Amino acid sequence: KAGVTQTPRYLIKTRGQQVTLSCSPISGHRSVSWYQQTPGQGLQFLFEYFSETQRNKGNFPGRFSGRQFSNSRSEMNVSTLELGDSALYLCASSLGLPLNTEAFFGQGTRLTVV
Amino acid sequence: AQSVTQLGSHVSVSEGALVLLRCNYSSSVPPYLFWYVQYPNQGLQLLLKYTTGATLVKGINGFEAEFKKSETSFHLTKPSAHMSDAAEYFCAVTHTGGFKTIFGAGTRLFVKA
Repeated sequence: KAGVTQTPRYLIKTRGQQVTLSCSPISGHRSVSWYQQTPGQGLQFLFEYFSETQRNKGNFPGRFSGRQFSNSRSEMNVSTLELGDSALYLCASSLGLPLNTEAFFGQGTRLTVV
Repeated sequence: AQSVTQLGSHVSVSEGALVLLRCNYSSSVPPYLFWYVQYPNQGLQLLLKYTTGATLVKGINGFEAEFKKSETSFHLTKPSAHMSDAAEYFCAVTHTGGFKTIFGAGTRLFVKA
């Protein structure tokens, strides 16, 4: 069974640009969550999608957005990049229901903004 | 609101010694609790979880954790540390109303030979 796949693994962007990250969940999983991981802040929740609907979102500015497609694949977009957006972005997939099911994480996309 | 506090951003133990990583949570409703491990340049991997039932939960690699409702704690232990246990460990909580999992700041475990 294939795991969670995130692409690309590494990305370097310039301030002001925008970026799109992709996540393919485990087959059969309908929930995808996104997290931003930085050394000082740990894992910060961005948003969660279930069957193409955003069920919850974290406290991030509107520059951070996401979507989920009918095949459960998800993308997140960050517009007008800032230096502080440099981080490891992790995607996690789960069945979505019941809520006590575990999340499976991808290896992440490391974004560097210069 | 949910929150997770991991006491100690860094913990160092000798090989063969007891590992104890502390986690306290706050939640207004019964939570689901998880411990994850992250190795360098990797995503997170589930160690164990508590949902309902027995409060002592056993996970992979010899780790276990005990849910103590009165103390709002879910500490992770392993009787004897191994060099391969060196990694970062995250405690996490989910509850039924939020559709999101909140993670603690993480504890980096160092194992000395």
